[in-house]
Amino acid sequence: AQKITQTQPGMFVQEKEAVTLDCTYDTSDPSYGLFWYKQPSSGEMIFLIYQGSYDQQNATEGRYSLNFQKARKSANLVISASQLGDSAMYFCAMREFSSGGGADGLTFGKGTHLIIQP
Amino acid sequence: ETGVTQTPRHLVMGMTNKKSLKCEQHLGHNAMYWYKQSAKKPLELMFVYNFKEQTENNSVPSRFSPECPNSSHLFLHLHTLQPEDSALYLCASSQKKQMDTRSAFFGQGTRLTVV
Repeated sequence: AQKITQTQPGMFVQEKEAVTLDCTYDTSDPSYGLFWYKQPSSGEMIFLIYQGSYDQQNATEGRYSLNFQKARKSANLVISASQLGDSAMYFCAMREFSSGGGADGLTFGKGTHLIIQP
Repeated sequence: ETGVTQTPRHLVMGMTNKKSLKCEQHLGHNAMYWYKQSAKKPLELMFVYNFKEQTENNSVPSRFSPECPNSSHLFLHLHTLQPEDSALYLCASSQKKQMDTRSAFFGQGTRLTVV
């Protein structure tokens, strides 16, 4: 079973509009972190925002916010006032902190290709 | 600049060649990772090193051989690769198991083409 699910392979959004990128996750670990990364065509992975499983408030970083709904196991990324430079692949990822086994790195979703149109 | 540097950025190699990918970080992190990004697939974790010790090998074929001589450097030695190994190889580093870790920081990747 997939641990991270991103259901939107691609999205077209008008410049200046807000956009929500969906992410649902699956874990039995009570201690985990959720991450969003941006990958432009140049290839590097750029960290955007982090949400810990015990954080009481939704994370925000500038124009990025994370809509964390723990009971639903969802961690959607919201980009306000989208810009042309936001066009890129966006990846949701999870890190499980207290599991004895399993990968010690990040588990990624398949990504969403976001295209901002002028 | 994320503080994680990968070289080379692009590599084309034949199936009989031997080459190495290099990753370097001076962020003071103790954990380093190799990821593989193939087209239309999620990023796949390959190897994890914590304090220079390999703690994870995600069923990676032996034609990929990692080496971590110190906590700042990570190598991926390649030999007798197959065309399906062509992908973007990403290195990352992070603090080890910190609950408040912001992130793994990624390098820009090496785009590998096997011909």
